Amino acid sequence: KNQVEQSPQSLIILEGKNCTLQCNYTVSPFSNLRWYKQDTGRGPVSLTIMTFSENTKSNGRYTATLDADTKQSSLHITASQLSDSASYICVVNFSGTYKYIFGTGTRLKVLA
Amino acid sequence: DVKVTQSSRYLVKRTGEKVFLECVQDMDHENMFWYRQDPGLGLRLIYFSYDVKMKEKGDIPEGYSVSREKKERFSLILESASTNQTSMYLCASSFEGNIQYFGAGTRLSVL
Repeated sequence: KNQVEQSPQSLIILEGKNCTLQCNYTVSPFSNLRWYKQDTGRGPVSLTIMTFSENTKSNGRYTATLDADTKQSSLHITASQLSDSASYICVVNFSGTYKYIFGTGTRLKVLA
Repeated sequence: DVKVTQSSRYLVKRTGEKVFLECVQDMDHENMFWYRQDPGLGLRLIYFSYDVKMKEKGDIPEGYSVSREKKERFSLILESASTNQTSMYLCASSFEGNIQYFGAGTRLSVL
């Protein structure tokens, strides 16, 4: 079954700390993996997109990694800020299609 | 700047009403999508359109229909709203297989 699982479900950290969110997928065939940030009551916004040949991609304080062999991805947030409080969603695209499988997200809360 | 606009942020409708959710994008994207998002579930695809007047069913099309008469506009129609269609509805657009751009969402409550 094609699935995307994220962990943890929720996470609370102090401002300035780093954190890592995990995404495991069983989607095949795989085209690309995306991380989105979704603020409460808003639509998701793209952070990174990686194909199977890319291992790492950065977007400011956000760094995504991908291991296509183990089918795992992580999103690392450096020096967290209050504005990082949001849900982070991992999305995997079926190769050659417009079909996307969405994870249920990790809800991150950054405290002052 | 990329923009996907959903006509309503909040809607309250009665069971049995016909409901229209409108989505407009200004990026000349071929592909447009309608998803619903429920707590504890990932976004689920209702319908997808890859061109004007073209549509494909997603994972949960039952109880919904769509219309795409112009490239920039994709409408989701609930023919007879039911309480189990209370949800957050998200519209997205993309160019080929690239990044999807999402609207702000419409929170629909069916009473």
